[in-house]
Amino acid sequence: DAKTTQPPSMDCAEGRAANLPCNHSTISGNEYVYWYRQIHSQGPQYIIHGLKNNETNEMASLIITEDRKSSTLILPHATLRDTAVYYCIVRVYNNQGGKLIFGQGTELSVKP
Amino acid sequence: IAGITQAPTSQILAAGRRMTLRCTQDMRHNAMYWYRQDLGLGLRLIHYSNTAGTTGKGEVPDGYSVSRANTDDFPLTLASAVPSQTSVYFCASSDPASARLQETQYFGPGTRLLVL
Repeated sequence: DAKTTQPPSMDCAEGRAANLPCNHSTISGNEYVYWYRQIHSQGPQYIIHGLKNNETNEMASLIITEDRKSSTLILPHATLRDTAVYYCIVRVYNNQGGKLIFGQGTELSVKP
Repeated sequence: IAGITQAPTSQILAAGRRMTLRCTQDMRHNAMYWYRQDLGLGLRLIHYSNTAGTTGKGEVPDGYSVSRANTDDFPLTLASAVPSQTSVYFCASSDPASARLQETQYFGPGTRLLVL
């Protein structure tokens, strides 16, 4: 699975959009980009995933560059409850299952 | 729907003792996983099971064993606990065969284990 690079920390004002970048320059054509987050003391929570098209759900939007070497997770209106560590993961989808490799992630602090 | 439950929530254990961490899911997911999380090291996979009756080793399997007698349960056993196994343990499950979910993993609330 491809390696990802994320900034270690970011701040965001409450109510503003939080844009979390992720570099995955070695991603291969069949690898998906996943985003999870972990709020303090809780288990990781799935946010969104995509292959090459931009994706949106009730939690966030995922923008993947045309060359797929980077992506951005967007929380459109960040709240204090969005303070968490956000993990960008790339992996191949297959029907045999498999592990997620968590890097260090980005610690997002949403401030009033 | 409860999702994934883990027990106990936390435990203090004397070194050398045997301990089983329990994990149960009610989503009928085929695949289940055990991760440990340590400060500065992120989450690391201990063992996994792609389907009932099968198990596999992850990145850090030494000192741990698992079994998968049925779809719902995936217990993790520490045969003889050591202080380096002090950690937060997370169980997860996924449904790899679901094209819609494309193998999203769902995590339990974790078990905090302190080995003295």
